[in-house]
Amino acid sequence: AQTVTQSQPEMSVQEAETVTLSCTYDTSESDYYLFWYKQPPSRQMILVIRQEAYKQQNATENRFSVNFQKAAKSFSLKISDSQLGDAAMYFCAYLATGSARQLTFGSGTQLTVLP
Amino acid sequence: NAGVMQNPRHLVRRRGQEARLRCSPMKGHSHVYWYRQLPEEGLKFMVYLQKENIIDESGMPKERFSAEFPKEGPSILRIQQVVRGDSAAYFCASSPSGSRTGELFFGEGSRLTVL
Repeated sequence: AQTVTQSQPEMSVQEAETVTLSCTYDTSESDYYLFWYKQPPSRQMILVIRQEAYKQQNATENRFSVNFQKAAKSFSLKISDSQLGDAAMYFCAYLATGSARQLTFGSGTQLTVLP
Repeated sequence: NAGVMQNPRHLVRRRGQEARLRCSPMKGHSHVYWYRQLPEEGLKFMVYLQKENIIDESGMPKERFSAEFPKEGPSILRIQQVVRGDSAAYFCASSPSGSRTGELFFGEGSRLTVL
């Protein structure tokens, strides 16, 4: 069974600084997707960034980038130039390709942005 | 283009009552997923449905819970004889048929409180 582990329940960052959120996962599959979702106080799940396992290049979306280390099964999220609106719960998630469509989520990291 | 619509946003039930949660997927999406988020936890997969078919219900409790996605109308998650442990946020997500990106589009969730 796949598992996703986020070892940092809480993180804080100063506004305009950079912060990295950690995520590790366990799978025997070779092809899969990895995601970071953001859940602000409104509770909506917002996709931040997506990585396909077969792509070696790290995904980037504006101020958000990932460090994907497939051999180490590590998928960290880096937020540059942090903004107050980045404050939220961040969830790492795994999805195997194929017919099974279960997203497996980590337990989340609560990010606080300090003004 | 409306997103995934869930209602009600908040539902209060007493122990033993029934709860019905509705989800209308994004236009053009034929795949629906239900996830449950207990307080302070990540989302856990419950069930994956296509029109008139349950594809994967491996995350559904064996008793009291059922889900459907009829040919016409929204998907329904039904919880009979609710107990306090059913208090949670229930998220619906949808994806188009044949999606190769793995991305699920989430609704804003329905928060169930059992008194």
